[in-house]
Amino acid sequence: QITLKESGPTLVKPTQTLTLTCTFSGFSLSTSGVGVGWIRQPPGKALEWLAVIYWNDDKRYSPSLKSRLTITKDTSKNQVVLTMTNMDPVDTATYYCAHNGPSRFDPWGQGTLVTVSS
Amino acid sequence: SYELTQPPSVSVSPGQTASITCSGDKLGDKYACWYQQKPGQSPVLVIYQDNKRPSGIPERFSGSNSGNTATLTISGTQAMDEADYYCQAWDSFVVFGGGTKLTVL
Repeated sequence: QITLKESGPTLVKPTQTLTLTCTFSGFSLSTSGVGVGWIRQPPGKALEWLAVIYWNDDKRYSPSLKSRLTITKDTSKNQVVLTMTNMDPVDTATYYCAHNGPSRFDPWGQGTLVTVSS
Repeated sequence: SYELTQPPSVSVSPGQTASITCSGDKLGDKYACWYQQKPGQSPVLVIYQDNKRPSGIPERFSGSNSGNTATLTISGTQAMDEADYYCQAWDSFVVFGGGTKLTVL
């Protein structure tokens, strides 16, 4: 059974850097074809893809946020870390990580709400 | 950049068939998938690779993808199917549609 769980601060100040950790079980990020992605959802709004990292350390980022995002993995700890710089109130959202199989995200973590406010 | 367009809302009577569309340039040349999200919950994959159902997803959920449009069809819609539905595809990057609120009334 695959599970994922997001962790990190619930409140960050504008201009600060957000660091989120996705801790997973039930699969290995050293297995060919496997990835972990990050997706966010502002309150009452649609899903927005942020980034994905693959078993071979290939990384892809949303073009609109690429300059602010960094995704890394620690295979031994079964963790993926996403950092987002220069946080703004518009970045207030629930942040999800998800297992990335061929052409899909499944399953998703429970999500973590991050509020950006001074 | 690539975009996927969904109707903001769809309404259906219980027991009837609901169809939710997702439009994008040459979407039929890509794999589409669909997620269901109920209030306060994480999204759940209901269709992948255009028309495949993950284990545990009822048979009343089906999908198709051709030309510029992917369609999620829910046959014999039940009250429990009321939710937001999002399509997703891969272009050079991952793209989500804007979501469709399905109301069962």
